[in-house]
Order: sequence, then structure tokens, then C-alpha cells
Amino acid sequence: EAQVTQNPRYLITVTGKKLTVTCSQNMNHEYMSWYRQDPGLGLRQIYYSMNVEVTDKGDVPEGYKVSRKEKRNFPLILESPSPNQTSLYFCASSSSGTYLEAFFGQGTRLTVV
Amino acid sequence: GQNIDQPTEMTATEGAIVQINCTYQTSGFNGLFWYQQHAGEAPTFLSYNVLDGLEEKGRFSSFLSRSKGYSYLLLKELQMKDSASYLCAVSPSMDSSYKLIFGSGTRLLVRP
Repeated sequence: EAQVTQNPRYLITVTGKKLTVTCSQNMNHEYMSWYRQDPGLGLRQIYYSMNVEVTDKGDVPEGYKVSRKEKRNFPLILESPSPNQTSLYFCASSSSGTYLEAFFGQGTRLTVV
Repeated sequence: GQNIDQPTEMTATEGAIVQINCTYQTSGFNGLFWYQQHAGEAPTFLSYNVLDGLEEKGRFSSFLSRSKGYSYLLLKELQMKDSASYLCAVSPSMDSSYKLIFGSGTRLLVRP
């Protein structure tokens, strides 16, 4: 089954404790992105990747890091989480041939206290 | 700046037709997307417009006017399961077609 898998689905952590949210897709897609979704603000792009070892900043990259060492994986790293990073996070992937259809993961609800 | 506007909430009756509007102002344009998102779930792709006109896909249709920076999503024969948020998104430039800017979403409530 074609899918984008994020882990964990829910996470509560404390300020300053480094964490990683994993994202994996099994569709051999070139493009992958991370978004955060906050009430009233919609989905905002954090980082995106066009292919292995190629990443770039989205609209709200501050406080986040990403890496793309393998085509299928695109982890999101919060080196020192802060309460304003409490949000719902989505990973998405799409093919360069049919990039128009982005497939989203199930979401990760992160709470930083 | 980049801006996408859609109504916050709409209500409609089961079996009726509803039109959700989206206006955008972006630095460039490489396509407009509509996604559906049920509460607590991931967005799912509904439609894509890059040329002016109407794209029809079953009960859902999407229209684009590039000169007016305007799109709408038309939902016919509404069903209770259509209660969801509808997200309008624009790809702002040819150079970064993988970049998407989303509106805040329109929450649609379908009543019996």
C-alpha cells in the first residue's frame, strides 16, 4: 500500500530536549516536505527536499533541521524544542512526474511544555 | 507578500450544492490545489488547476481564473461525509513547483 508514515503520532516533551520525528514513504517519490498546522494559520511549510541531499527552507524553518540521506526518509529534527513549536506536523511526498498530488502522512501532534 | 484567502466557515444542507471560494496573491503561479481534511486526519488531494477553466471530477469541480487570482471548489449533491475542512493551496513559482502555500482552510458543515 502506498503511504507516508510518520512516527510518533503523539509526543509530549520538555523544553530543550532534542527530538526527531521520522517520515518514510514507499512510493519512490523525489519530493518531500514538512508542514506545521496551527489553528487559524493553516499549513505552513517548514522545509522541503527535491531529492537526496537536496533540501531548502520553507516559510517557517527557524528552530528546525532536516536531512535527506536516503530517498525514502526525511526526518524532522528539533534540536532545542520550545513551547511555540507545539503544533500538528505533517510530512508529505510527491513524485516529480506527478508532483501535483502530494501524499500526506497521518500527522504528529507535538506538545512542548 | 504571498496571501491566500478563503472563508473560515460555511454551512450547507445535505443534497445541496456549495461553492467555496479562494483568492490568491502570489509572486508567481504554477498551479492551484484543493485538499480535503477531515478533523484529526491528513489532507487528501482533491483537484489541481493550472489553466483557466473548470475541472470536473465526479461530485467535485474546481474553477480557476488566473487573471483574477480566483478559484472555487464546487461540491454537488452534498453528503454528510463532506463535512470537513477544504484547503486551497498555490504553487507560487515555476522554479520551485514543489513549494506550496496554503490558505487557512474553510470548515464546511453539512446538515441533514
